[in-house]
Parts: sequence; C-alpha cells; structure tokens
Amino acid sequence: SAVISQKPSRDICQRGTSLTIQCQVDSQVTMMFWYRQQPGQSLTLIATANQGSEATYESGFVIDKFPISRPNLTFSTLTVSNMSPEDSSIYLCSAGLADTQYFGPGTRLTVL
Amino acid sequence: DQQVKQNSPSLSVQEGRISILNCDYTNSMFDYFLWYKKYPAEGPTFLISISSIKDKNEDGRFTVFLNKSAKHLSLHIVPSQPGDSAVYFCAASGGTQGGSEKLVFGKGTKLTVNP
Repeated sequence: SAVISQKPSRDICQRGTSLTIQCQVDSQVTMMFWYRQQPGQSLTLIATANQGSEATYESGFVIDKFPISRPNLTFSTLTVSNMSPEDSSIYLCSAGLADTQYFGPGTRLTVL
Repeated sequence: DQQVKQNSPSLSVQEGRISILNCDYTNSMFDYFLWYKKYPAEGPTFLISISSIKDKNEDGRFTVFLNKSAKHLSLHIVPSQPGDSAVYFCAASGGTQGGSEKLVFGKGTKLTVNP
C-alpha cells in the first residue's frame, strides 16, 4: 500500500486567485492522478500525472486552468488557477500501485 | 451520462446483520472494479476489488460479487459493525488493473450500522 499526504487540507480563497495543492507519496510510484469531488457528486478524474511527461487531461479539464507538475516519483502538485465559486470542491490525489489506487485525504477548497 | 451508478444514496442496517451495497455500470469495456470506503474528512480507503474474469472475491467480512451479463456488482459485509458506517464508493476501470487506469466512480452509498 501507499501513504499519501496532501497540503493544504483546506483553504478559503478569493475569486480570481490561484491555489497550489501538494501531494506527497511515501514510496515511488509511476502513476499519480488528480480527482475532484464537487458537492453531492462522485469523484471525477481531472488528469493523470506521469513523471517525466506532460499530464494527460480528461475531457472538460484544461492545462491553463489546472496546471500539474510531477517533478519526481513521489511528488505532484495541482494548481487551480483564476478560481471562481464553481471551483469549490474537494481535490484528491491518488497513487497507482498494481491493482489499485491509494488516495490522499483531500483538500477542501472554498472559493468566495 | 453516468457510467457507474449507485442507486441507493443511503442504507441502514442493524449490527451483526448483512449489509448489501449495489452498483450498476453501463460501459461494457470496464474490466476491473473496486470498492472504497470513505469517512468524513478523509480520503477514500481501498476495500476490495474484482476482475471481470471472476464472479466473486472475498476478503474477511467483505465479499464482492460481479454479474457481468447484468453489468451489476454488489458488496456484502457480514457481519456488519458500527465501525463500518461510512460512505461506500463503487469504481470501475477500463484496464485489467486499477492502479494504472482512470477510475470512474459512482456517487456513493452512505451506510449506517446501528448498534
């Protein structure tokens, strides 16, 4: 298994600003993923972050809005840019290991 | 278009009885299925998974059943314990493993186990 930590755990931000969320894994993993859970909804994949290559974004998500870095095999960041109230969600990172994905505790973002 | 559906938002059972959580999917390309448990203010915790080549997988009190022809899976918890009270998510992957592919999640079922 893997232990995953995220920072910050929660934040309240003003519209138009940006927030960078950090995700740290306790072991080296090839695949890392970023998900969003909007209120009352399921988890939705934003992008897949592989070390040494550009992130792969799902339909409806773009790099300018959600830039991702993956500098090494244990760390990734997701930035939520030019935020609006519609970006208020829980953002979760996960690490892929063999048969499953292990999730961090999430970052609860509120945009005013 | 929701590809993974958990039609029961909530379920309440008595301690010691069986909990059955259901999940339906529409995409026949899904080959691997996972169940996660989520407590408030925590991330989802992996519980159990099943490959499409199997129809049952068991781990302690948890058993997952897959009916591929019906595109239906279920999670059985026996016996249910108050600590099992959480939101349970069903997830599906188009790959043969869940670690390297996108997961598509249902909306979750909130299970309450009453002492």
